Amino acid sequence: GAVVSQHPSWVICKSGTSVKIECRSLDFQATTMFWYRQFPKQSLMLMATSNEGSKATYEQGVEKDKFLINHASLTLSTLTVTSAHPEDSSFYICSAASYNEQFFGPGTRLTVL
Amino acid sequence: AQSVTQPDIHITVSEGASLELRCNYSYGATPYLFWYVQSPGQGLQLLLKYFSGDTLVQGIKGFEAEFKRSQSSFNLRKPSVHWSDAAEYFCAVQSNTDKLIFGTGTRLQVFP
Repeated sequence: GAVVSQHPSWVICKSGTSVKIECRSLDFQATTMFWYRQFPKQSLMLMATSNEGSKATYEQGVEKDKFLINHASLTLSTLTVTSAHPEDSSFYICSAASYNEQFFGPGTRLTVL
Repeated sequence: AQSVTQPDIHITVSEGASLELRCNYSYGATPYLFWYVQSPGQGLQLLLKYFSGDTLVQGIKGFEAEFKRSQSSFNLRKPSVHWSDAAEYFCAVQSNTDKLIFGTGTRLQVFP
């Protein structure tokens, strides 16, 4: 149980385009999901906390207009990278919270050309 | 402020040798502590967690960790390392807002 999926697993896009990443909790409901960003050989940095039915809470320094988060249901949260630039290239990981534990998705590798 | 320190960036061990990965935390209350493993290009897999009770916690893949409040530590151990254990290991503490604060990670390399 407690499986989290992400789609797509990798994506390549042109600079200036927008990319949507989906995070789904497959066998449980999650009122809270988290979005992380990980640069090569570095740790995970929390970008935002996504709560079902309400606005996401962004960490300091994260542009909310650039990284749009929607948590429309108890099993789905989406992260949209708007007007992507090469510096947005990174590994994006989501997690879904259940009973004081976070379950992580497999990550999405974004490359912006 | 809450923080997690993993002093060892990179550790190399021989297969079959014992392993200890260090983790120190800074947190005002009783912490919820976690160890995760990440293989290249993959998400995180939970190895073990400590919420309360017995300070020696058993996890998956033969790993264990010991919570020592007096030392603010939660070191991960394995008595005999396998080549498949080569990966990145992250220690994390959960804040009172359910956020996870990660250490910088320790990369484990295993030689045959």
